[in-house]
Amino acid sequence: DAGITQSPRHKVTETGTPVTLRCHQTENHRYMYWYRQDPGHGLRLIHYSYGVKDTDKGEVSDGYSVSRSKTEDFLLTLESATSSQTSVYFCAIRGQGANADTQYFGPGTRLTVL
Amino acid sequence: EDKVVQSPLSLVVHEGDTVTLNCSYEVTNFRSLLWYKQEKKAPTFLFMLTSSGIEKKSGRLSSILDKKELSSILNITATQTGDSAIYLCAALTHNTDKLIFGTGTRLQVFP
Repeated sequence: DAGITQSPRHKVTETGTPVTLRCHQTENHRYMYWYRQDPGHGLRLIHYSYGVKDTDKGEVSDGYSVSRSKTEDFLLTLESATSSQTSVYFCAIRGQGANADTQYFGPGTRLTVL
Repeated sequence: EDKVVQSPLSLVVHEGDTVTLNCSYEVTNFRSLLWYKQEKKAPTFLFMLTSSGIEKKSGRLSSILDKKELSSILNITATQTGDSAIYLCAALTHNTDKLIFGTGTRLQVFP
């Protein structure tokens, strides 16, 4: 499982509330990613990080922000949750060395916005 | 726009059958093609392919990349109920280091 944990694993919230999802890794990987997965769309990249305080947008970044103040943690924040952000969110890390082209996924967070 | 297309969307077979899943890609500056298996949880890595014609194998699963045709196939022989899952392929590009995923093929294997 590449030492990746996500919290919370499930969350139900109301429209307009802020939500923060946490991804934690224990293996000092430089690159970390946030994806959302929705039926008919597959996995889509929200934001990614290539080091502490270094982040960039993915294809579906509107309505999301991220922060990475230390190597092991990558936070995804929904400033004001909307029903369209109901989804399963996966964090991933990029492998190292011979596995540098491979991404390994965390267990996911199921978010429901009512 | 970069895209990855998988077919079929869904497949239902009986145990013991052999299946072939298809993945085609249109991405700029292609680097590698990855296959993942997703059961009721996170995607787990299966194969990464970077060179045409070289088969990657793991037990009953195998995959080949065809760079000329911009495609890859994933074969599963002697399917088992435990092979039931969504199979995802993704293309990695040189310029962005981002994975572009297809929508997946849902495989159901019945006893």
